[in-house]
Amino acid sequence: ETGVTQTPRHLVMGMTNKKSLKCEQHLGHNAMYWYKQSAKKPLELMFVYSLEERVENNSVPSRFSPECPNSSHLFLHLHTLQPEDSALYLCASSQDHGGRGEKLFFGSGTQLSVL
Amino acid sequence: GQQVMQIPQYQHVQEGEDFTTYCNSSTTLSNIQWYKQRPGGHPVFLIQLVKSGEVKKQKRLTFQFGEAKKNSSLHITATQTTDVGTYFCAGQRAGNNRKLIWGLGTSLAVNP
Repeated sequence: ETGVTQTPRHLVMGMTNKKSLKCEQHLGHNAMYWYKQSAKKPLELMFVYSLEERVENNSVPSRFSPECPNSSHLFLHLHTLQPEDSALYLCASSQDHGGRGEKLFFGSGTQLSVL
Repeated sequence: GQQVMQIPQYQHVQEGEDFTTYCNSSTTLSNIQWYKQRPGGHPVFLIQLVKSGEVKKQKRLTFQFGEAKKNSSLHITATQTTDVGTYFCAGQRAGNNRKLIWGLGTSLAVNP
């Protein structure tokens, strides 16, 4: 148990569906992240929130929409996804963002399949 | 763009053999982190190296950061089946843009 909880663990959705991924951290951290993990690719940083403010958006398509209502919760809203969006989506948190060496605590991830 | 190359991509060893994975950056890093991801699991932080030439040990694991702060290695002595997983390095850029750059990982399989 890392202190970062992600739900659901698995998700299958059609290209026209709308779904949301949820992440909650119990570590008192100030920064939260969404990463995408695909086979044969490095971990891709999607979004960074620091103190509930989005500080990074790494050219992610608008069909992915993050939301951070408070420093403990992070959502990723999904709509009209493509099959190539199938991947493991990892939430992570760190004490702060932008300093020297952010130790990341990852959740268990959501394995997403888009049909 | 800046890359972090990690080799080998896969390594298969007999239990008790040693294992090493190498991480090389095209530019100087501020620091480097290592993570382990078990099959079906998520990355778990192992260690961070900050100083040039730094060496840190965790039981059978030895981590090194090169003098030029462009390369790093993770060495496991006498592997065990519990060492199975993928080992990732992630380097943080020096300078103003402190983005973490991830390697592709080295997948380690251990035969009992």
